[in-house]
Amino acid sequence: QITLRESGPTLVKPTQTLTLTCSFSGFSLSASGVGVGWIRQPPGKALEWLALIYWNDDKRYNPSLKNRVTITKDTSKDQVVLTLTNMDPEDTATYFCAHRTFGLLSGFDHWGQGNLVTVSS
Amino acid sequence: DVQLTQFPSSLSASVGDRVTLTCRASQRISNYLNWYKQKAGRAPKLLIHAASTLQTGVPSRFSGSGSGTDFTLTISSLQPEDFATYYCQQSFGGITFGPGTKVDVK
Repeated sequence: QITLRESGPTLVKPTQTLTLTCSFSGFSLSASGVGVGWIRQPPGKALEWLALIYWNDDKRYNPSLKNRVTITKDTSKDQVVLTLTNMDPEDTATYFCAHRTFGLLSGFDHWGQGNLVTVSS
Repeated sequence: DVQLTQFPSSLSASVGDRVTLTCRASQRISNYLNWYKQKAGRAPKLLIHAASTLQTGVPSRFSGSGSGTDFTLTISSLQPEDFATYYCQQSFGGITFGPGTKVDVK
C-alpha cells in the first residue's frame, strides 16, 4: 500500500526559503521507473505542478519556477525534499507530494494529504 | 508550454444525469492526458490516464475519450459522491493542469 505524507512549516515570512519533506512508504525511489512530484494549490484555485524527481535522479521543474525550486531525494530515508526560495504571499498554497511512474502516459496515482503553507509577515 | 482549457468552468446537475466535461489543449498532445477528481479539502484522485484508461478501482460510469487537442470526461449516471471539481492534466510538454470544472447540485 502506497502512502505519502507532507511535513513542514505552516507559516513562513516573505523572502524566506520553504523546505517541505515528503515521507513515503509502499515503494522505493531506488526502483526503476518510480518518481515523486510536488504539486501546489492556492486556496480556491487550480493545481500547479512544481517539480518531479525520478529513481535515476532525473529532475524536472516547472519553467515558471525553475530558478526558485529544488527537488532532492534521500533514498535511504524514503523521503523527497522540496525547497522554494524567496517566498511571497502568492506562494500561499496547499503543497502536495504524489507518486508517479515514469512515462508520458502516467498520472499522479497516489497523493499525500497536503500541507497548507501561508506566507505572511 | 502546453496550456489546457476546461469548459464549462462549472455546471449544475442532478443525481442520475449524464455529464460531459471538456478539456482542450493549446497544441496536439496525442493521448498524454489524465483526469482527476477533487473533493473540497481533499487531495486529487486520479480517475483516468492516457485519455481513456480507467484507473483500478474507479467506477465504470466514468469514461474518457479524445486525442490530439480535444478530450472529454463523461460520467454516465451522476452519483452523490461525484459532486466535485474535475481537473485535466497533460504530460506531453512539461506538466500542466487545467483550471478545473466544478460539478455541483442543481
